[in-house]
Amino acid sequence: GAVVSQHPSWVICKSGTSVKIECRSLDFQATTMFWYRQFPKQSLMLMATSNEGSKATYEQGVEKDKFLINHASLTLSTLTVTSAHPEDSSFYICSASRVAVNTEAFFGQGTRLTVV
Amino acid sequence: QKEVEQDPGPLSVPEGAIVSLNCTYSNSAFQYFMWYRQYSRKGPELLMYTYSSGNKEDGRFTAQVDKSSKYISLFIRDSQPSDSATYLCAMKEGAQKLVFGQGTRLTINP
Repeated sequence: GAVVSQHPSWVICKSGTSVKIECRSLDFQATTMFWYRQFPKQSLMLMATSNEGSKATYEQGVEKDKFLINHASLTLSTLTVTSAHPEDSSFYICSASRVAVNTEAFFGQGTRLTVV
Repeated sequence: QKEVEQDPGPLSVPEGAIVSLNCTYSNSAFQYFMWYRQYSRKGPELLMYTYSSGNKEDGRFTAQVDKSSKYISLFIRDSQPSDSATYLCAMKEGAQKLVFGQGTRLTINP
């Protein structure tokens, strides 16, 4: 149980285009999903916290107009990188917590974004 | 000072050795402690989850939490090459966000 599926696992896009990444909890309901960014050989940097049916809460320094997050259901959250630039190239990872908030978080497999 | 400190390594040990990975933290309000394993270009995989102080064992893995010292450990017994990965400690206070350590890169040599 507790499987989080992230899609796509990798994507290459042209500079200026937008890319959407999906995060799904397959076998549990997730009221809260988290989006992280990870640079090579570094730990995870939290970008935003997404609660089902409400606006995402962004961490300081993360542009909410650039990284659009939608959490329309208890099993799906999406991250859209708008007008992507090469500096947005990174490894993006989502995680989900079950309905009871004080539990562990499960991670998706990550999405490698390369902007050319 | 970071909230969670973890030696980034790299740590290299021979197959069969006992591995000890550690994290220290400064926030005494942390209640939930986790260890994740991350293979290259993959998302983190939850290994151990502990609430408050004490030990927890799962197969070859043992997690220890010492809240009085603000210190957590993960022990891997009979280490195997497939254990080679980056290990991340993470912790949180109640419903707050997870705070991660930097991650320790571990290599088990056959």
